[in-house]
Amino acid sequence: SAVISQKPSRDICQRGTSLTIQCQVDSQVTMMFWYRQQPGQSLTLIATANQGSEATYESGFVIDKFPISRPNLTFSTLTVSNMSPEDSSIYLCSVVGLADSYNEQFFGPGTRLTVL
Amino acid sequence: KQEVTQIPAALSVPEGENLVLNCSFTDSAIYNLQWFRQDPGKGLTSLLLIQSSQREQTSGRLNASLDKSSGRSTLYIAASQPGDSATYLCAVRPSRSGSARQLTFGSGTQLTVLP
Repeated sequence: SAVISQKPSRDICQRGTSLTIQCQVDSQVTMMFWYRQQPGQSLTLIATANQGSEATYESGFVIDKFPISRPNLTFSTLTVSNMSPEDSSIYLCSVVGLADSYNEQFFGPGTRLTVL
Repeated sequence: KQEVTQIPAALSVPEGENLVLNCSFTDSAIYNLQWFRQDPGKGLTSLLLIQSSQREQTSGRLNASLDKSSGRSTLYIAASQPGDSATYLCAVRPSRSGSARQLTFGSGTQLTVLP
C-alpha cells in the first residue's frame, strides 16, 4: 500500500487568504486526486492532479479557486484561494498505485481547514 | 448516474456482537468496490477491495461480499470491539474507461460499539 502524508494537518485561516496543502507519497503513483469533505457530508472529488500538466477539474470546481500542481509522480499541492467560511472542510489527497492502475485507492490523513 | 446507498446511517451495538453493514448501488457495471473506515476528522483507511469478478474478501474480523447482479455489498464485522467505532464508507468504481472511472461514495454508516 502507499503511505501518504499531508501538510498541514489542520489550520485556521482568515477570510480572503489562501492556503496551500501539500501531499507527499512514498512511492510513484499513477493517479493523484484531491477531495473535499464538508462537515457531515461524504467525499466530493475536486480534481485529478496530472503530472506536468493542468489538473482535470470536476463540475463546480475551477482552477482559479483551487489551483493544483503536480511536478512529479510523488508530490502534489492544492491551494484554496480567497477563502470564505464555506471552504471549511477536510481536504484529502488520494492516490491509485502504478502497479494497479484504477485498482485500490488510498487516502492521506486529511487537512482540516477552518475559515473564520 | 451511479448512486450508492448505505443503510443504516447509524448503528449502535454492544461489544462482542457480530454486525452487518449494507451498501447498494444502482449501476451493476462496476470495476471494483472498496470499503473504507474513517475516524472523526481523519482520512480514510482502506479495509477491503473486491474486484467485480470476486464474491468476497476477508481481512481478520472483516468479511466483505459482493453481489454485482443485484447491486449489493455487505461488510460483516465479527466480535465487534469499541475500537471498531468509526464511519464505514462504501465506494464503487465503474467499469467505464477514462476520467469517468472515478469512485462514487456512499454517505456512510456511523458505527458505535458500546463497551
